Amino acid sequence: DAGVIQSPRHEVTEMGQEVTLRCKPISGHNSLFWYRQTMMRGLELLIYFNNNVPIDDSGMPEDRFSAKMPNASFSTLKIQPSEPRDSAVYFCASSFLAGDGETQYFGPGTRLLVL
Amino acid sequence: GNSVTQMEGPVTLSEEAFLTINCTYTATGYPSLFWYVQYPGEGLQLLLKATKADDKGSNKGFEATYRKETTSFHLEKGSVQVSDSAVYFCALYQAGTALIFGKGTTLSVSS
Repeated sequence: DAGVIQSPRHEVTEMGQEVTLRCKPISGHNSLFWYRQTMMRGLELLIYFNNNVPIDDSGMPEDRFSAKMPNASFSTLKIQPSEPRDSAVYFCASSFLAGDGETQYFGPGTRLLVL
Repeated sequence: GNSVTQMEGPVTLSEEAFLTINCTYTATGYPSLFWYVQYPGEGLQLLLKATKADDKGSNKGFEATYRKETTSFHLEKGSVQVSDSAVYFCALYQAGTALIFGKGTTLSVSS
């Protein structure tokens, strides 16, 4: 099993540019999560999908952030326009949502630096 | 609402010392409880879990017991190694919600 795949692993961009982060969940999983991690704010849930449908996007910081999941094997998180305060590590995680507990499998993360 | 509180770090220990990282939770009903670990430069990975009261999760020498009476899920290890240096997250899950993570506790083990 390849695990959760994220790309790119590192991204350096300039303020105002569009950034697109990509995620391929583990095959067979039905839930997908996007997190952001910074030293100041810790680990924050941005949005999660169940069966490709967004369930809770209350963690999305503002309208500059958007996420899509067009099919069960692919999701994107887009920031447009990017700002220096968006610099963070962005993690994607997937799980098979079951009744008695949910084990999430995390990708290696995308380290984003906005100059 | 549901929440998880874990002890502030960092925790600094010498090799072979005993480790306890406290975690308490607030929830209605019967959540499942987890410990995740994040090694430097990596994503989080599941360390252990317990799905009902009095269950003990264990892995790699780490243990945690689901205590409903004290709403706790403390992580313990009898003898830590330098390779255990990482950030440890306590988490809670209930059906219909996403995982709720604590803020994380950094463990640093020196030889």
